[in-house]
Amino acid sequence: GNSVTQMEGPVTLSEEAFLTINCTYTATGYPSLFWYVQYPGEGLQLLLKATKADDKGSNKGFEATYRKETTSFHLEKGSVQVSDSAVYFCALSVMTGNQFYFGTGTSLTVIP
Amino acid sequence: DVKVTQSSRYLVKRTGEKVFLECVQDMDHENMFWYRQDPGLGLRLIYFSYDVKMKEKGDIPEGYSVSREKKERFSLILESASTNQTSMYLCASRGVSGNSGGSPLHFGNGTRLTVT
Repeated sequence: GNSVTQMEGPVTLSEEAFLTINCTYTATGYPSLFWYVQYPGEGLQLLLKATKADDKGSNKGFEATYRKETTSFHLEKGSVQVSDSAVYFCALSVMTGNQFYFGTGTSLTVIP
Repeated sequence: DVKVTQSSRYLVKRTGEKVFLECVQDMDHENMFWYRQDPGLGLRLIYFSYDVKMKEKGDIPEGYSVSREKKERFSLILESASTNQTSMYLCASRGVSGNSGGSPLHFGNGTRLTVT
């Protein structure tokens, strides 16, 4: 079947620290991969995506590379800011069907 | 930018009431979705619609129904609200992307429903 597993939170980092949030997936087809971010009291916003192997998605200093060999799509940022405090969701969509499959979310808190 | 608008940010309803949650998107998207989000359970799909008057059950449709009379509007209906339906409800839309699967979901800001 299709599923996404992401690292458990919560994660607490100091400002300017390096961030990695792990995400692995299983998929019956050839998936597209996404990272979404949810700020307090808001809906989910698309952060970045990648649609084929070795693609790198990037936005706002965040990056993730589609690794087919390890079925992974880890989110990274070199220097986090307090404003990055949010919940991050990894998700996949396969070519057939219309559903998205979400991880359970990882809460990030960045302290000054 | 795609805009998905949910009519209410906060709602408080009583047990047994019929509740309507409204969602409108402005990008002529074919597909619309309703999720609920609960702590520790992540996002769970309630229903989705791929065309006007068409609907498909998601993972947790019990106690809910939906209506899509116009392409831009997708309504979630709680026929008789219960306390276990207290949750954050998220609407999303998605365009057609051929067979690539790469078209993202676009979410509204959510409706936090409390049933007392």
